[in-house]
Amino acid sequence: NAGVTQTPKFQVLKTGQSMTLQCAQDMNHNSMYWYRQDPGMGLRLIYYSASEGTTDKGEVPNGYNVSRLNKREFSLRLESAAPSQTSVYFCASAALRTGELFFGEGSRLTVL
Amino acid sequence: QKEVEQDPGPLSVPEGAIVSLNCTYSNSAFQYFMWYRQYSRKGPELLMYTYSSGNKEDGRFTAQVDKSSKYISLFIRDSQPSDSATYLCAMEGSNYKLTFGKGTLLTVNP
Repeated sequence: NAGVTQTPKFQVLKTGQSMTLQCAQDMNHNSMYWYRQDPGMGLRLIYYSASEGTTDKGEVPNGYNVSRLNKREFSLRLESAAPSQTSVYFCASAALRTGELFFGEGSRLTVL
Repeated sequence: QKEVEQDPGPLSVPEGAIVSLNCTYSNSAFQYFMWYRQYSRKGPELLMYTYSSGNKEDGRFTAQVDKSSKYISLFIRDSQPSDSATYLCAMEGSNYKLTFGKGTLLTVNP
C-alpha cells in the first residue's frame, strides 16, 4: 500500500527552466494538496483540489500551476523556475475533512 | 500577528522527561486542531486530532485545547529518543484548509 507517491524525489533546475512534480494517491481520497516547506516558514499551501475537476489557490500560488488529472493524480508545474522556488514540496491527500492529511515523502527542488 | 504562532525551539530534553509543546492562534474560526510529527527528510504524519476544548489522550501523548485562550498544547510523557522529530500544530476553519505552525524541533537524548 503506497499511500501518496511523489516523483521526482530530487531535482536541480536552472533559472527559467520548467518542470512538473507528479503526485499520485491510492487511497481513493477526494482532496489533494501541494505544500512547500522552507526553513523558518513552515508548511505553506500552494494549491489544492477539493475534488476531481476543481482546483483552487492556496497561500502562495504565484509561479505555479496545477492539474488534477483524475481522482488519483495531482501535478504541480513550475513554468519558469526561480531561485525563490528552491524548497521541499509535499503532496498530500485527505478523504473528507482536511484534518487528516496523508503526506508524501517530499520532493527536494533546487533552482540555481 | 500571524494566525498561528509556534515556538520553533529547538528543544532538547533527557529521555524520560515530560515535554510540553504549544501553539497560540488568533483566528476564532478555527474549529479543528491537530498535531503532526515529522521525522527528518520525511513527510508529516498525523499524531493527534481534536475538536473540542479539553484533553485528548493517546498513549504517552495528550493534546489539550483551550478555545477561550486560543491555545493548544501537546504533552509527551516518558519521552523516548524515537520521539525526536519536528512537531507541527495545525488548525482548520470552515474553509477546509489547514494552517500550520512553523514547527518545533525536539531532540530526546538517551
